[in-house]
Amino acid sequence: TQLLEQSPQFLSIQEGENLTVYCNSSSVFSSLQWYRQEPGEGPVLLVTVVTGGEVKKLKRLTFQFGDARKDSSLHITAAQPGDTGLYLCAGADNDMRFGAGTRLTVKP
Amino acid sequence: EAEVAQSPRYKITEKSQAVAFWCDPISGHATLYWYRQILGQGPELLVQFQDESVVDDSQLPKDRFSAERLKGVDSTLKIQPAELGDSAMYLCASSPAPGQGYEQFFGPGTRLTVL
Repeated sequence: TQLLEQSPQFLSIQEGENLTVYCNSSSVFSSLQWYRQEPGEGPVLLVTVVTGGEVKKLKRLTFQFGDARKDSSLHITAAQPGDTGLYLCAGADNDMRFGAGTRLTVKP
Repeated sequence: EAEVAQSPRYKITEKSQAVAFWCDPISGHATLYWYRQILGQGPELLVQFQDESVVDDSQLPKDRFSAERLKGVDSTLKIQPAELGDSAMYLCASSPAPGQGYEQFFGPGTRLTVL
């Protein structure tokens, strides 16, 4: 069973601050996805990373896949209230497993 | 824009009753997933369909849960009888490609409360 651990579990910051959230596992994944989920809605895919060491940028969001394809990070620059939500990572190999998520609150 | 449809959005039931959830995936998506998300946790896969066939139901509590996708399009997830611990968000997702690692498009979910 692949176990994905996300940290921190909760994060509350002020608008304009930078932050990094982490997704770690002892298992190797063929790919890893990051989703954002808002209350009462389904998750929405942000990015898929497949190559060890890969870095992808989506506006103010930077995603990195670890060299060993066991971990990933999401960095947000100059956070805005619209970034508030639950950030989930999901690792794919024989099946797909989700982490428990990081609940981010950005205060204006 | 094509979306995954789910109904109902909310369901309140008493324990021991039967409940059913419906999902209509994005047109043309052969792969359909049902997930359960307990408050404070990530989604947990219950069952995966490829067209009308079950690909993975290893995490589906088969004594009370059943899922079908008879014509390979829309799908129904049933719980009978419901238990208090079944209270959760039930999410449906579809994907244009088989296998893991491909983008999954999620519906808005059905929030189930069992009293």
